Amino acid sequence: EAGVAQSPRYKIIEKRQSVAFWCNPISGHATLYWYQQILGQGPKLLIQFQNNGVVDDSQLPKDRFSAERLKGVDSTLKIQPAKLEDSAVYLCASSFPGLDYEQYFGPGTRLTVT
Amino acid sequence: TQLLEQSPQFLSIQEGENLTVYCNSSSVFSSLQWYRQEPGEGPVLLVTVVTGGEVKKLKRLTFQFGDARKDSSLHITAAQPGDTGLYLCAGAPGNTGKLIFGQGTTLQVKP
Repeated sequence: EAGVAQSPRYKIIEKRQSVAFWCNPISGHATLYWYQQILGQGPKLLIQFQNNGVVDDSQLPKDRFSAERLKGVDSTLKIQPAKLEDSAVYLCASSFPGLDYEQYFGPGTRLTVT
Repeated sequence: TQLLEQSPQFLSIQEGENLTVYCNSSSVFSSLQWYRQEPGEGPVLLVTVVTGGEVKKLKRLTFQFGDARKDSSLHITAAQPGDTGLYLCAGAPGNTGKLIFGQGTTLQVKP
């Protein structure tokens, strides 16, 4: 079974530039999550989708971050404009319906903002 | 406020030693999960504990859920270099339905 796919794996941008990350979850997983993991910390939930609807985006900095999951399958997370403090690993995860606490993670995208 | 506190944050031991990692909270959890994350990879689910007092074993790893469902521990027997990584506990406090993670314990096992 294919795992959660993410791209790119690494990205370096200058502050005030924009960047987009892509995620393709495990087939059949209706719930998709985006996390931000700053070095030395555990992942922090940014947004949760159930199919193509947003379940929780309370910790998403909406002035600069946006995310969509138009067809209920793959998803994109965008940052515009980026700040230095956005440097982190962005993880995508997915889960089966009803098993939201058992999440499967992709390899992440390491973002460096200079 | 960190709802899940892990200790220790860093641990460096020799191959063959035993170790215990703790995950504590003042909140009650319906379940707790343990993940392991290797450098450059996403976290991988190791186990879910659901019942207070529950003990689960995964080869040399033993996981325990506290009786009050507020804490958990991970014990590794005879650690090996392949156990090196970041160990994360996670859970959804109360009925929030939102998974939160501890800050992680970085384990280094030297050959």
